[in-house]
Amino acid sequence: QSALTQPASVSGSPGQSITISCTGTSSDVGGYKYVSWYQQDPGKAPKLMMYDVSKRPSGVSNRFSGSQSGNTASLTISGLQAEDEADYYCTSYTSSSVVFGGGTKLTVL
Amino acid sequence: DVHLLESGGDLVRPGGSLRLSCAASGFTFNNYALNWVRQAPGKGLEWVSAISSTGSATYYADSVKGRFTISRDNSKNTLYLQMNALRDGDSAVYYCAQGGGGGSIGRYFEYWGQGTLVTVSS
Repeated sequence: QSALTQPASVSGSPGQSITISCTGTSSDVGGYKYVSWYQQDPGKAPKLMMYDVSKRPSGVSNRFSGSQSGNTASLTISGLQAEDEADYYCTSYTSSSVVFGGGTKLTVL
Repeated sequence: DVHLLESGGDLVRPGGSLRLSCAASGFTFNNYALNWVRQAPGKGLEWVSAISSTGSATYYADSVKGRFTISRDNSKNTLYLQMNALRDGDSAVYYCAQGGGGGSIGRYFEYWGQGTLVTVSS
């Protein structure tokens, strides 16, 4: 149950695109294709932004997209907006647990 | 609307016990797996435990295995987490989350409660 690896921080200017990576192993990310992403504002509960690698829940902007290659999943935010500034976490389902990434702080410059 | 409301968080001494509850509404409770996820102050999210829709299967993170017990009462639409032998490292906000996508754990967490704070300190 080792944590997935995410960059501690990423930043971008309004209108730009950024990508947050999430690296696991063949026992989690690479083995199940069930990666999800969460956005969390300070003091708030996490919000689901992407599930099953690349599916967007209803109400989530299409500026958010997800992908996966091997043991690494990615969340891309295009047309960056000030409101996107938050912490982002990836998770991977396994048959007997869920593994979270360490989280990435997104700063909109 | 789906609503999850945690309760039971408190200040407890190391070695003590606490039971958290999560009252659910707005969905067919016995159709979904449920999970507990925690977040220590200033830290990231950590999955703690899951229970299948019927309660027949339970899962735990290594960090809490043998000390925490997850359970549910489908007649009361309520999820529980019994926490024993608490340690300083268990201090966190504890969230309950609905497991979406089917299965005994759920593939993702679409709905979350607002959390309840557990502080372990002497």
